[in-house]
Amino acid sequence: EPEVTQTPSHQVTQMGQEVILRCVPISNHLYFYWYRQILGQKVEFLVSFYNNEISEKSEIFDDQFSVERPDGSNFTLKIRSTKLEDSAMYFCASSEGILNTEAFFGQGTRLTVV
Amino acid sequence: AQKVTQAQTEISVVEKEDVTLDCVYETRDTTYYLFWYKQPPSGELVFLIRRNSFDEQNEISGRYSWNFQKSTSSFNFTITASQVVDSAVYFCALSEANSGNTPLVFGKGTRLSVIA
Repeated sequence: EPEVTQTPSHQVTQMGQEVILRCVPISNHLYFYWYRQILGQKVEFLVSFYNNEISEKSEIFDDQFSVERPDGSNFTLKIRSTKLEDSAMYFCASSEGILNTEAFFGQGTRLTVV
Repeated sequence: AQKVTQAQTEISVVEKEDVTLDCVYETRDTTYYLFWYKQPPSGELVFLIRRNSFDEQNEISGRYSWNFQKSTSSFNFTITASQVVDSAVYFCALSEANSGNTPLVFGKGTRLSVIA
């Protein structure tokens, strides 16, 4: 069964460092998303990506964040200068793109900023 | 503005009991989609169901059933004969219909503990 895969599963980084979280969406899906879940809290939308550009982003997704689809398969989230409060689980998701079909989520990357 | 409220923060039941997880939503749109996701202790988000606002029929899938009532803006989830493997955090989510795919707005989740 096709699935969204994320790497790494856990990343520890020092405050101020740049991190890149990687995702391989399901191959025939057209919409890609990043969501964030701070420990014990709800899942929050960061950004959606369609047709090689950002289609929507939340207030959380400020200049510190960027997304890219560098090739035909990967979808990355870059956090430029990490802060302690960026520590969270980051989920990538993808959907077919037809009438709000369900988003399938990856297993998440736990980012710990120390 | 969209909002999803899951008033039950934590529920604990004994195995084989039935349990209902509540979800109340707010939206200005007449067309929207409702979802339930399960987050087991391993952390991933597992899709359970998607329902559009025009389909108020209740749905049953094995031990899972969903009760969608537009009159009360609720989309409740019932697990019949709960099992230990049902222990997880369950999230209700909403997306408003659009020309593309609008992002999901999640509730805060309900942590279900099923005790053997």
